[in-house]
Amino acid sequence: DVKVTQSSRYLVKRTGEKVFLECVQDMDHENMFWYRQDPGLGLRLIYFSYDVKMKEKGDIPEGYSVSREKKERFSLILESASTNQTSMYLCASSFNGFGGVTHEQYFGPGTRLTVT
Amino acid sequence: QQPVQSPQAVILREGEDAVINCSSSKALYSVHWYRQKHGEAPVFLMILLKGGEQKGHDKISASFNEKKQQSSLYLTASQLSYSGTYFCGALTTSGTYKYIFGTGTRLKVLA
Repeated sequence: DVKVTQSSRYLVKRTGEKVFLECVQDMDHENMFWYRQDPGLGLRLIYFSYDVKMKEKGDIPEGYSVSREKKERFSLILESASTNQTSMYLCASSFNGFGGVTHEQYFGPGTRLTVT
Repeated sequence: QQPVQSPQAVILREGEDAVINCSSSKALYSVHWYRQKHGEAPVFLMILLKGGEQKGHDKISASFNEKKQQSSLYLTASQLSYSGTYFCGALTTSGTYKYIFGTGTRLKVLA
C-alpha cells in the first residue's frame, strides 16, 4: 500500500523558532512536493524536488527552505517561523513524467502548524 | 497564477448532478482531479492527458478542452460519499513546466 508519512499531525511553535517538517515516502518516487493549504486559496506549491539534492521553487518559497538528502525523505524548514506561516502543510510524491505527462500525486496526512 | 475553479461551493441533495469547472489563463498540458474529505489528504480521482479527452470513473467523469484551457468534472446521481473539496491540478508552462492546483470547490451532499 502506497504511503506518505509526515512527522507530526499538529505542531505549535513560537515566532522566531526554527521549524522542521519531515516527509517520508515508501514508493521510490522521484518527485516530492511541499504545499501549504489555506481556506479559499487551495493548495499552493512551496518547493518541489525531482531528485536527490535537487530542488525547485514553487509559487511561495519565501521564508522556507528544503532539503532532500535521500530519495525517500523531503524536509521543509522554516528558518524563523512567523504567524503568517500558520497553516496546513501537505507533502506529496509522484513518479517522474516526461513530455508534458504528469503522474498522480500521493499525499501525506498533513501537518497543522500554529505559530504563536 | 492558480487555475480558478467554479463554483467555489455547492450543496446538493442525494441523486442530484453537479459540474465543477477549472479554468486557466495559461496553457494546460494535462489535468488531474482530486477529492479531499474533511480532515484527510487529497486523493487522486483521474487524469486527462489530451485535449478533448473525457474519462469516467463510476458516476464521476471529466472532460478537458485544451483550446479553452478548461476542464470540467461531472458528478451524476451524487452520493453522500461525494462530499468534500475537489481540486483540479494542472501541468502548465511559462518557460518551464510547473504543476499548479486550482482554488478548490467545496461540495456537500445532503440526504
